Amino acid sequence: SAVISQKPSRDICQRGTSLTIQCQVDSQVTMMFWYRQQPGQSLTLIATANQGSEATYESGFVIDKFPISRPNLTFSTLTVSNMSPEDSSIYLCSVDLPENTEAFFGQGTRLTVV
Amino acid sequence: GNSVTQMEGPVTLSEEAFLTINCTYTATGYPSLFWYVQYPGEGLQLLLKATKADDKGSNKGFEATYRKETTSFHLEKGSVQVSDSAVYFCALSPKSGTYKYIFGTGTRLKVLA
Repeated sequence: SAVISQKPSRDICQRGTSLTIQCQVDSQVTMMFWYRQQPGQSLTLIATANQGSEATYESGFVIDKFPISRPNLTFSTLTVSNMSPEDSSIYLCSVDLPENTEAFFGQGTRLTVV
Repeated sequence: GNSVTQMEGPVTLSEEAFLTINCTYTATGYPSLFWYVQYPGEGLQLLLKATKADDKGSNKGFEATYRKETTSFHLEKGSVQVSDSAVYFCALSPKSGTYKYIFGTGTRLKVLA
């Protein structure tokens, strides 16, 4: 299994500002995933982050709005840029392990934009 | 495309009642199916999974059977407890070896003592 730590666990931000969310894993992983969970809705994949290459974004998400870094095999960051109230969501980091057949999730970052 | 349709909540039950949360899916090929649980203030935890047709996943008294003929993966528990109160997500992974999950909308379960 994997232990995933996300920081911050929650934040309240002013519109127009940016927030960087950190995801730390206790083991080396190839792929890391970032999801968004809007209030009362399901989880939606934002992007997949591989170490050493640019993140791959899903339809409807762009790098300018959600830049992602993946400097090594245990760490990734997601930045929510130029925030608006519509960005208020829970953002979750997820990883897969080669020896497992399921993904593991962090506890999430609850973001409120005012 | 791939999608997951999940029973809407909230579901409120008394302790020791029988639970069913319906989940149906649309997918090309042979996806893996999962139930994740999110307790208040926590991240998602895998509850159970099934990777091929007719597989039954089970954990903590919960069960779900992968039914290809009805494209369903309904979650059941014979006797719920207050501690089962959480949000339950049905999910599929459309391709073996990738974890680009597609999630259902989640079903909130509240169990009353």
